[in-house]
Amino acid sequence: ETGVTQTPRHLVMGMTNKKSLKCEQHLGHNAMYWYKQSAKKPLELMFVYSLEERVENNSVPSRFSPECPNSSHLFLHLHTLQPEDSALYLCASSQDPAGGSEKLFFGSGTQLSVL
Amino acid sequence: AQSVTQPDIHITVSEGASLELRCNYSYGATPYLFWYVQSPGQGLQLLLKYFSGDTLVQGIKGFEAEFKRSQSSFNLRKPSVHWSDAAEYFCAVGPRGSSASKIIFGSGTRLSIRP
Repeated sequence: ETGVTQTPRHLVMGMTNKKSLKCEQHLGHNAMYWYKQSAKKPLELMFVYSLEERVENNSVPSRFSPECPNSSHLFLHLHTLQPEDSALYLCASSQDPAGGSEKLFFGSGTQLSVL
Repeated sequence: AQSVTQPDIHITVSEGASLELRCNYSYGATPYLFWYVQSPGQGLQLLLKYFSGDTLVQGIKGFEAEFKRSQSSFNLRKPSVHWSDAAEYFCAVGPRGSSASKIIFGSGTRLSIRP
């Protein structure tokens, strides 16, 4: 399998649940990302793992917790989410650094609904 | 402040007609410029990118974009659209010589195709 794979494709959860999103990249890249895509808004970068160093957007609530056990796998742990967290969560990877802004390779996303 | 503006939220064109999607950016220096496409239920895919050189850039699926420094624009064009081009299109910018984590995206333009 090639590219960036995300599971599950769809997730419905209650506000008290704990769930995890999984991302796997088969491209040999050294950086992985979580983005949040809400309707009519620009993509919001949530977290970056580059060469196993974590960089985060300070505006992301602590109910989102990333984990990157190795350069090929990325998780997003979710707990006590709010309805406004319902969105499409996209994983991406890239090869950084490479002398310039490199292109991002995206997975198909997990459509999350919080009830 | 750095920003990317896609002034058209939704555009409808007839199949076979020409297409132009607008993108304007505000940036301290000439950035790297990208266009991504997102088909329904999918992640984003890179259509084309401008780093330097010829200001008319050719991409996949018959798309092209022109960088105009004086207008801070990077408009996407296609001479004849196909029904399969119906998707959401995102313009993005990133700093030269930096990580892909610095890329910022516009809010997107949704393209519908009239039979």
